[in-house]
This record gives sequence, C-alpha cells and structure tokens, in this order.
Amino acid sequence: GQQLNQSPQSMFIQEGEDVSMNCTSSSIFNTWLWYKQDPGEGPVLLIALYKAGELTSNGRLTAQFGITRKDSFLNISASIPSDVGIYFCAGEIQGAQKLVFGQGTRLTINP
Amino acid sequence: SQTIHQWPATLVQPVGSPLSLECTVEGTSNPNLYWYRQAAGRGLQLLFYSVGIGQISSEVPQNLSASRPQDRQFILSSKKLLLSDSGFYLCAWSQKGRVNEKLFFGSGTQLSVL
Repeated sequence: GQQLNQSPQSMFIQEGEDVSMNCTSSSIFNTWLWYKQDPGEGPVLLIALYKAGELTSNGRLTAQFGITRKDSFLNISASIPSDVGIYFCAGEIQGAQKLVFGQGTRLTINP
Repeated sequence: SQTIHQWPATLVQPVGSPLSLECTVEGTSNPNLYWYRQAAGRGLQLLFYSVGIGQISSEVPQNLSASRPQDRQFILSSKKLLLSDSGFYLCAWSQKGRVNEKLFFGSGTQLSVL
C-alpha cells in the first residue's frame, strides 16, 4: 500500500527555534495535510494543501505541497512550549476516501 | 455542530479475551467512518473504513474486525485479543467525499493487552 516517509522521527529544540519536517512518498497524492496530536488526544488538522507548489501559512506554521506531488514540508517558526506534540503528514489519493499518515515527528521543546 | 464519541477511554484486557470498542457520530448523516491504530511511538495505521451501513473495507490483515450497524455507529471488535493488539485506537469521521478537507478524530481508546 501507499506509504509516507516522514522525517525526522523526533526533534529536541530550544524555545524560540524554528522547526522543519518533511514527508515523501513514492506515490502521487492529490492532497497533503498536516495534523498535530497532543498527548492522549486525537490529531487535529493544522494545514491542508490542494495544489502542487502551493504554499500555505497558518500563523507561525507554513507548509508546501511539492511540485512533484510526492512530498510536502512543514515549518514552525519561533517555537513555543505549546508546540510540543506529534506532527503527522497525511495524503489522499484522488477518490480514495481515506488518508494515509506518516510515522509522525515528535517535537520536544526545552524552555 | 458535529461531535464524535469514542469509549472507553482506557481498557486493560487479558490475552484471549474479546474486545468491543464503540464510536458514534452526532450532528451529521451518512459520514465516512474510520478506525486507526497508533502503536506506542508510532504513526497512525488505518485499520478499517466504511462509506455506508454494512460496508467495511479492511486495510491490513489482522485479528480485528469492524462493523457498522447504524449510519453513525462504528464498532471495532476482536474475538480473542493478542498482545500485539495493544495500542491507541482512534475513530474518525469525514463528510462524504471530503476526507481531504477535514478528518475529525475522537479522543481515542488506550488498549493494553496483558
């Protein structure tokens, strides 16, 4: 089945630093999404990308849909303690009615 | 507004015992429904999804089964749990044809099989 390779698996940063994570796939995706999961909770959507090359921001978060439609990245600027959690990329193949998720990036922030 | 309910929040079961996790959605009709599993420190693995009553698609071979007896009810079951069934189980829903716009997750069930 389709797989999304997400990296890095974990990040340990200082408060105020910028963060970058990415996802790649051997398959072409129609949509790329980025979710965040707080401990003990379900993931919540952060950003959705629908067009190749699209660059979208949500506050301090910026994500891009790769030109090849096989990759995406998420950047977080000036990290704050509440950014701690697990970030997932997800992709949808057109018409599939389901999302495939990456393995997640666990973000830890030292104050 | 739409809400998704998932229970129980935590469950400890012995190996070989049966399992039934229930998920219900309120405030919408004819949703797509999904069961995901998250092993400790791992990503989200899609187990089952359903586009309608009685319609179940299985994504991976496993010891689990799913059923959708009503439009907004999705049940995850097992006849005999294995140690490897431990994990965090998440139910989710989306509007028909709009999973790429919004997939709403429940708060999850932490299952420990001992």
